[in-house]
Amino acid sequence: SYELTQPPSVSVSPGQTARITCSGDALPKKYAYWYQQKSGQAPVLVIYEDSKRPSGIPERFSGSSSGTMATLTISGAQVEDEADYYCYSTDSSLSRRFGGGTKLTVL
Amino acid sequence: EVQLVQSGAEVKKPGESLKISCKGSGYSFTSYWIGWVRQMPGKGLEWMGIIYPGDSDTRYSPSFQGQVTISADKSISTAYLQWSSLKASDTAMYYCARLPSARGGFDYWGQGTLVTVSS
Repeated sequence: SYELTQPPSVSVSPGQTARITCSGDALPKKYAYWYQQKSGQAPVLVIYEDSKRPSGIPERFSGSSSGTMATLTISGAQVEDEADYYCYSTDSSLSRRFGGGTKLTVL
Repeated sequence: EVQLVQSGAEVKKPGESLKISCKGSGYSFTSYWIGWVRQMPGKGLEWMGIIYPGDSDTRYSPSFQGQVTISADKSISTAYLQWSSLKASDTAMYYCARLPSARGGFDYWGQGTLVTVSS
């Protein structure tokens, strides 16, 4: 079955750049989406179609995709960015999948 | 403003049935897919299925096919997720979310409905 693989955790100091990766065989042909989930809250879309940012999402959030890997980059991470981040995509059969999630620590 | 408002928390016993809801507002309910996502305690997000309220076209994740039923009533802009016989392992937070297209991702999310199944 189709899998999306993320690192379990990433840790940075405030002001540093955080990069969270997501690997999957279908990513060369399918878009990646990224969701932020803070503790006790519903997920929020932060990046769609690999690199587009919804209105209201800070410019420090950006996305890219190359080959089988998509990357969420938070430039100048803030303490309030501490959260779980999930990538999401589909495969050729339109089966959809979330990655296992990455816990971002900013301290 | 797009909003998805879910029904409140539920506490049920194993074997009981349950139907939870998700009411959409601020957009054309029949023009967007609605999906359901499970999050078990301390775990990640799992896609369960999606429905297109315009014609009730429904797709299930293989992991949830036969375990739940997804439906929608377009007259009241509400989607549903139901179980006929709950198990303790159904204890989780359930989110509904909107999809602009079946090929895309979820853009707006409901606040979640916590379902607890315990004897």
